[in-house]
Amino acid sequence: GAGVSQTPSNKVTEKGKYVELRCDPISGHTALYWYRQSLGQGPEFLIYFQGTGAADDSGLPNDRFFAVRPEGSVSTLKIQRTERGDSAVYLCASSLVGGGAPDTQYFGPGTRLTVL
Amino acid sequence: GNSVTQMEGPVTLSEEAFLTINCTYTATGYPSLFWYVQYPGEGLQLLLKATKADDKGSNKGFEATYRKETTSFHLEKGSVQVSDSAVYFCALRYTGGGNKLTFGTGTQLKVEL
Repeated sequence: GAGVSQTPSNKVTEKGKYVELRCDPISGHTALYWYRQSLGQGPEFLIYFQGTGAADDSGLPNDRFFAVRPEGSVSTLKIQRTERGDSAVYLCASSLVGGGAPDTQYFGPGTRLTVL
Repeated sequence: GNSVTQMEGPVTLSEEAFLTINCTYTATGYPSLFWYVQYPGEGLQLLLKATKADDKGSNKGFEATYRKETTSFHLEKGSVQVSDSAVYFCALRYTGGGNKLTFGTGTQLKVEL
């Protein structure tokens, strides 16, 4: 079946602009995660949704970052007033259950964001 | 805090060589441990996992044993192939942390003929 998909695959923007990154999880997966991977680093947790609600947003670096999942499926990560330091690959993952239960996360291919 | 430390790469091996990629962790409680692999141009894939001490995870000829006494989860393979060339990430999910993962920095493996 279809895996996690993310759009766009690449996004180039200018400093100060607003961007939206989209994630389509695996159908039926209730949990959705966003991570950020800077060059040469491992992914870092940003936010986790259980259904429509953000169960844990402790990884969001500041209030310029926001994410939504209004219908419990597709999620959008929104970044306001982008800065050059926001340049990274943004990864989305989904899992069947979440809620603290130990289940496997399936990752999408990521969106490479470049802020000029 | 909770963290994962991996050996730095790149690691370059000849085909059929033995592979070890070291991973140690710091965590409260009893975390679950994972190895993820990222092939060129692809997304992260779960390679193997272990959820309690002395468990051995295995997949595709790779193995890793959860060693609580040394807080380690080293990845091994007896005979690597060119197709194993990828970046390998060690990760943990700690008790009380929900389902979020904490990753190491990754180790690039290059296998040559």
